[in-house]
Amino acid sequence: SQKIEQNSEALNIQEGKTATLTCNYTNYSPAYLQWYRQDPGRGPVFLLLIRENEKEKRKERLKVTFDTTLKQSLFHITASQPADSATYLCALSNTGTASKLTFGTGTRLQVTL
Amino acid sequence: DTEVTQTPKHLVMGMTNKKSLKCEQHMGHRAMYWYKQKAKKPPELMFVYSYEKLSINESVPSRFSPECPNSSLLNLHLHALQPEDSALYLCASSQDKQYYGYTFGSGTRLTVV
Repeated sequence: SQKIEQNSEALNIQEGKTATLTCNYTNYSPAYLQWYRQDPGRGPVFLLLIRENEKEKRKERLKVTFDTTLKQSLFHITASQPADSATYLCALSNTGTASKLTFGTGTRLQVTL
Repeated sequence: DTEVTQTPKHLVMGMTNKKSLKCEQHMGHRAMYWYKQKAKKPPELMFVYSYEKLSINESVPSRFSPECPNSSLLNLHLHALQPEDSALYLCASSQDKQYYGYTFGSGTRLTVV
């Protein structure tokens, strides 16, 4: 069966450092890998999408890599700030309208001063 | 308008009650979704609607009944729920092309007593 695992349940880092989160999947060949941020009691907020034929994508302080051979994505937040503290979810989907979006287990990031 | 609006924000219902959750978007998205999220777990897909037709039902018990009256509205009718159905219910929508990710509402916090 399909499995999407994020390596750490929780990650604590110091302000200004780079946070690196990992997403591994099995029994899946997604067309897209997406990253979301979720704050307590709120819905997930879309951050970045990377396609299966892309290796890397950047947006401001965020960088995502996608290795379809390793079946792994890395999500980096550079110059992290306390406001970046949240749960980060990776999610996989295929092409087409109304494609199923399946979430990973999530990593709770805490950025301290 | 770039939001998905869910009402009510909180709902407490007895096991014999009938209630409905409502979701609305005016972004012209033709795919809409219901997810269920338990505490400290990722969102789990329940139903997918594509162009107002149910396209995916993830083997959800019949006490949950979705409805898509038009392209902007999605309802989830609840009847004879169990205490274990207490969770955050999230609605989402997406464009035909997924490059902009999925847009989630803030959810309805449901408690079944």
